[in-house]
Amino acid sequence: QSALTQPASVSGSPGQSITISCTGSSSDVGGYNHVSWYQQHPGKAPKLIIYDVSNRPSWVSNRFSGSKSANTASLTISGLQAEDEADYYCNSYSSSSTLVVFGGGTKLTVL
Amino acid sequence: QVQLQESGPGLVKPSETLSLTCTVSGTSISTYYWSWIRQPPGKGLEWIGYIYYSGSSNYNPSLKSRVTISVDTSKNQFSLKLSSVTAADTAVYYCSAYSGSRRLHDYWGQGTLVTVSS
Repeated sequence: QSALTQPASVSGSPGQSITISCTGSSSDVGGYNHVSWYQQHPGKAPKLIIYDVSNRPSWVSNRFSGSKSANTASLTISGLQAEDEADYYCNSYSSSSTLVVFGGGTKLTVL
Repeated sequence: QVQLQESGPGLVKPSETLSLTCTVSGTSISTYYWSWIRQPPGKGLEWIGYIYYSGSSNYNPSLKSRVTISVDTSKNQFSLKLSSVTAADTAVYYCSAYSGSRRLHDYWGQGTLVTVSS
C-alpha cells in the first residue's frame, strides 16, 4: 500500500483537461512543498514533469501544472494530446522514517 | 548531460543476494544523493534508499534489514545489495540522481529487470 493515494485511472478526450489528485498527510504532502510529479510511458523510466508543487522544468510543456491544498496535491494536464497517455506518479518528501514516498500511480487514457 | 546506467545480473535465485551497480556520467558524484527505486511488474514505484558521496545513507524501513547501498567515488558508481530475496523482489530496478535540496529525482537510469527465480 502506497503512502500517497492516487486514483488508479483517469481519462479524457483530446483537447480536454484532466486533474490527478495525490493525497497524503501532514507528514508529507501537507507539511512540505516538496511534491514532484513523474510521467512514465510503457517500458520507459519515469521523467520529472513538476517539482516543488507547481514548478516545471524548462523542457516540460506549460500544459502541465501542479497545485496543492492541505494534504492533497494535484496535477492538471490541459489540452490533452495522445502523447500524454502514460502513467503518472506523485512523490513527496516525508518527515516519517520513510523519507521518500510515492503515490500508487495513475494511468491516463486519452480517448 | 547526466546519465545513469544500471548493470548486474538479470536473474537471482531465491534466498540469494541481488547486486546492482549504477554508473554515473556527466556530473560529479558529490552533486546529488544517489537513489535506488524499484517497480514490480505492473505495479507502482517504491523507494529503496539513497546514499550521499560521504557515505551517509537512508533506507526504506520496509527493506532496511536487507538493504545495503554503497558508493565508490573513484569509479563514479554506487551499488545496491538486497539480501534474502524472494519472488516479491522481482522488479525493474532504477537508479536515480536525487536532489537533497529540492527533494526530487532529477535523472533516472533506464532501469534493469531483475527476476528472482530458481
